[in-house]
Amino acid sequence: GDSVTQMEGPVTLSEEAFLTINCTYTATGYPSLFWYVQYPGEGLQLLLKATKADDKGSNKGFEATYRKETTSFHLEKGSVQVSDSAVYFCALIKEPNFGNEKLTFGTGTRLTIIP
Amino acid sequence: DSGVTQTPKHLITATGQRVTLRCSPRSGDLSVYWYQQSLDQGLQFLIQYYNGEERAKGNILERFSAQQFPDLHSELNLSSLELGDSALYFCASSGSFPTVTNEQFFGPGTRLTVL
Repeated sequence: GDSVTQMEGPVTLSEEAFLTINCTYTATGYPSLFWYVQYPGEGLQLLLKATKADDKGSNKGFEATYRKETTSFHLEKGSVQVSDSAVYFCALIKEPNFGNEKLTFGTGTRLTIIP
Repeated sequence: DSGVTQTPKHLITATGQRVTLRCSPRSGDLSVYWYQQSLDQGLQFLIQYYNGEERAKGNILERFSAQQFPDLHSELNLSSLELGDSALYFCASSGSFPTVTNEQFFGPGTRLTVL
């Protein structure tokens, strides 16, 4: 079945460090890929997405590129801030067509940024 | 604010009881999704409704049921509750016309504690 494998956490970095959170997926066809972020006590927010191979999603300084050859969608940010501390989830929708689009999530990676 | 509302925010109940969780989707969204977030299972898709009809089913127990009403709000009913049902339950919505997108917008969640 479809699955998403995320880098194990927790991850602790100093402010302004470079961030990479690895994500690989298993799915047939051409899934859409997402990164969601969950701040403490809140619901999930879409951070970025990519819908086809070689697409790059970007938002708030975060980037991820859809690599079909390596089935990966790694999240990167050049300089993290304390406010980036949250749990990050990689996810996919296997067959994105309107009306039938369940998200399959990875286990989540807790990120803590130290001032 | 995602525009998705969930009530109640917290629910504490005893084993064997029945509870109802409510979700109001974003204005115009036709699809409602329910997800369960627990420490041992992570984030799992439960069920999806589209415009009042069940569209997809995931790892939803037979003790759980859901429905979507004509005004598009949805309810998730959990019965014969067990300790293991303690979790955060999220509702998400998608599918506003005329822009069709597979982005799901999440509510803040209902934290269920079964004692």
